[in-house]
Amino acid sequence: GAVVSQHPSWVICKSGTSVKIECRSLDFQATTMFWYRQFPKQSLMLMATSNEGSKATYEQGVEKDKFLINHASLTLSTLTVTSAHPEDSSFYICSARYPGAPDTQYFGPGTRLTVL
Amino acid sequence: AQKVTQAQTEISVVEKEDVTLDCVYETRDTTYYLFWYKQPPSGELVFLIRRNSFDEQNEISGRYSWNFQKSTSSFNFTITASQVVDSAVYFCALSGGPKTGGFQKVTFGIGTKLQVIP
Repeated sequence: GAVVSQHPSWVICKSGTSVKIECRSLDFQATTMFWYRQFPKQSLMLMATSNEGSKATYEQGVEKDKFLINHASLTLSTLTVTSAHPEDSSFYICSARYPGAPDTQYFGPGTRLTVL
Repeated sequence: AQKVTQAQTEISVVEKEDVTLDCVYETRDTTYYLFWYKQPPSGELVFLIRRNSFDEQNEISGRYSWNFQKSTSSFNFTITASQVVDSAVYFCALSGGPKTGGFQKVTFGIGTKLQVIP
């Protein structure tokens, strides 16, 4: 149990385009999912908390219009990087709270975004 | 504010050696959770352990063991008889209580890169 998937695993796009990343809980329902960003050789930084059926809560310094989050169902949250620029290139990881252990987050495999 | 410090950024050991990864944390909460995650080169974060602040018993799982000491705010992780497959970045993390944003907010340390040399 507690499997989280992400799609795509990597994506290369041109500057100015938008990219959507999906995060799915495969074998459980997740009312809360989280989006993190990780720069090379650095730790994970929480970007936002995604709650099913409501607006996401963004961390300080994260542009909500730049990083659109939609948690439309109990098994799917999406992160859309709008008008991507090279500085948005990073490793994006999602996680989900597992109902059986609500204080533990299980992570997806991550999506590596490269913006040219 | 909560903070997790992993002072060792990189460690190299020879296979079969024991290795301890240090983790020191800071929090204002009396109730909190501590975690260790493993991130192999593939990038996926693998959950290893969760420990709540009221349980100071040390835990052993195969070659892995964890030493939680509230008196020194430390939650160290030891790998016994290390193997090449243990090579990864290991993150210590802290989930605080109401005073620091609730249990959902997880603060990660910077990670310790472990290289096990055959």
